[in-house]
Amino acid sequence: DAGITQSPRHKVTETGTPVTLRCHQTENHRYMYWYRQDPGHGLRLIHYSYGVKDTDKGEVSDGYSVSRSKTEDFLLTLESATSSQTSVYFCAISETDGGTAGELFFGEGSRLTVL
Amino acid sequence: QKEVEQNSGPLSVPEGAIASLNCTYSDRGSQSFFWYRQYSGKSPELIMFIYSNGDKEDGRFTAQLNKASQYVSLLIRDSQPSDSATYLCAGEGGATNKLIFGTGTLLAVQP
Repeated sequence: DAGITQSPRHKVTETGTPVTLRCHQTENHRYMYWYRQDPGHGLRLIHYSYGVKDTDKGEVSDGYSVSRSKTEDFLLTLESATSSQTSVYFCAISETDGGTAGELFFGEGSRLTVL
Repeated sequence: QKEVEQNSGPLSVPEGAIASLNCTYSDRGSQSFFWYRQYSGKSPELIMFIYSNGDKEDGRFTAQLNKASQYVSLLIRDSQPSDSATYLCAGEGGATNKLIFGTGTLLAVQP
């Protein structure tokens, strides 16, 4: 068990407000990822990190920023939330550090609703 | 746009039958493929991966890869109602070296 916790698990917010989702892991894995999942689109990578202060964009990064100041925490921030960012957000880690990015372990998800 | 395509289903099979889940991909550079299972309201969990042409078996599950046809499949033998879930196919490698997910196929195993 990779020991991933996401918070908050559920959030309702209003358009234009900032939102931060937190992903915390307990096992010092190097790679961490943020995905969003929407009907008809599947899972799409937002941002990922390959170490402290090392992050890169995924396929749907517009409107999102991330930070990783400690190995165990990976934060996803929506600076000004929009209704199109209503989604379920999953954090994931790769348990094979330095190996394939496909063997992922996912957190329980954070459901965000932007009104 | 590099894509992984799956039929959304639902695919309905009777208990004890073989369920066949299929996936095609567009990026010939993709090297590895992964099958994740996702129960309703839960997070995806990895069940198998394959990176060589041919078959790979793990218990009741068999993953098949045909790189010439750009086709990946997952067979579930002796399907059980507990196998009812959405199955996500994902490909890694190619131009972006990122994991690209399909939209998933909903499998319903009827008792």
